[in-house]
Amino acid sequence: AQKVTQAQTEISVVEKEDVTLDCVYETRDTTYYLFWYKQPPSGELVFLIRRNSFDEQNEISGRYSWNFQKSTSSFNFTITASQVVDSAVYFCALSGNQAGTALIFGKGTTLSVSS
Amino acid sequence: SQTIHQWPATLVQPVGSPLSLECTVEGTSNPNLYWYRQAAGRGLQLLFYSVGIGQISSEVPQNLSASRPQDRQFILSSKKLLLSDSGFYLCAWNSGLAGGPADTQYFGPGTRLTVL
Repeated sequence: AQKVTQAQTEISVVEKEDVTLDCVYETRDTTYYLFWYKQPPSGELVFLIRRNSFDEQNEISGRYSWNFQKSTSSFNFTITASQVVDSAVYFCALSGNQAGTALIFGKGTTLSVSS
Repeated sequence: SQTIHQWPATLVQPVGSPLSLECTVEGTSNPNLYWYRQAAGRGLQLLFYSVGIGQISSEVPQNLSASRPQDRQFILSSKKLLLSDSGFYLCAWNSGLAGGPADTQYFGPGTRLTVL
């Protein structure tokens, strides 16, 4: 069975601190996809990144970076120099390889950034 | 570009009343469509997904149903709402290329349902 675990329920930081959100996944598929979504207070899920299981290169996008390690089944997300606007719930998700496959979500991590 | 709409944005309904939530996608053809529910401000649960008109797969047995009367329209319904149906309902879409890899799912703005 597929499963995503986000062990951190809530994280509070002060602006400009770096913060890492952990994500551990379980799957028996050899080809799969990992995602991160952001859910601001408005509720809409905003897509951040998609990674396939054959691409272990770390990715950086501005203040955001992602570390994918198949050896530990982890796909962690780091925000550098956090800002108040980063306050949101962040979800890690996993899907199989075929079109029409559903996303398996973790329970989310609530990040609060204070000024 | 593709956009996804959901309405209503918020809904307050009494227990036992019917429900109809609508989701439409613009700017794409033959999308896969999904209904998720988020209860108590936490994790998302897949309720239904559809890979084509009239094709509905149910993930969780419950008193909800879904229909896809048109290619880009997905409807979530109930004949009699329960208190436990309260939550935030999100519709999502992704590419429907048969045999293709799992494409990114993009989500609508959601409907916040309160059953009293």
